[in-house]
Amino acid sequence: DVKVTQSSRYLVKRTGEKVFLECVQDMDHENMFWYRQDPGLGLRLIYFSYDVKMKEKGDIPEGYSVSREKKERFSLILESASTNQTSMYLCASSFLQRETQYFGPGTRLTVL
Amino acid sequence: AQKVTQAQTEISVVEKEDVTLDCVYETRDTTYYLFWYKQPPSGELVFLIRRNSFDEQNEISGRYSWNFQKSTSSFNFTITASQVVDSAVYFCALSEAGVDTDKLIFGTGTRLQVFP
Repeated sequence: DVKVTQSSRYLVKRTGEKVFLECVQDMDHENMFWYRQDPGLGLRLIYFSYDVKMKEKGDIPEGYSVSREKKERFSLILESASTNQTSMYLCASSFLQRETQYFGPGTRLTVL
Repeated sequence: AQKVTQAQTEISVVEKEDVTLDCVYETRDTTYYLFWYKQPPSGELVFLIRRNSFDEQNEISGRYSWNFQKSTSSFNFTITASQVVDSAVYFCALSEAGVDTDKLIFGTGTRLQVFP
């Protein structure tokens, strides 16, 4: 079974803090993704990566950056958290392009 | 532009009723993939099905069935004899087979509540 884990289920941070969200997959998948989920908007892609040290912007990259130093780990970074980044963040991975994406349990981030 | 529409925001049924969740998509590509995911209250998205655009056969898996119709750009999901454990948010998604893209375009989801 594919296993995608995220470092925290719930996180509370203050405005201006630097926030790291970690995602790890154990299936040697090439591709990894970060989405945010907001009520009424569905899931929106923030960043994705096809390989180590590679990253591509998704639909809403502003205010975020990512890091992929190892194949199994994909980090989402909020350089200076703002209240409008309060959301559910979901990580996903897939073996190859256009294959099924498997999701982690999500991190519910609240920025005060 | 690609788009996925799930017009039903919320559906409530009583256990053992059949329920159909609608999904309408827009794409200019001839090759694409459609997905359904389930998100129970725990939050994790659970993969249900992946269908490519060249396979219009309907699929049945236990109480779940999917009706793919290219003529109407729809990929509807039916749960037969619903159960309380089916209560969740269900997302339909579209992936185009472009060279440099692996994006999933999600609908806004349909919240299904099954009452005992």
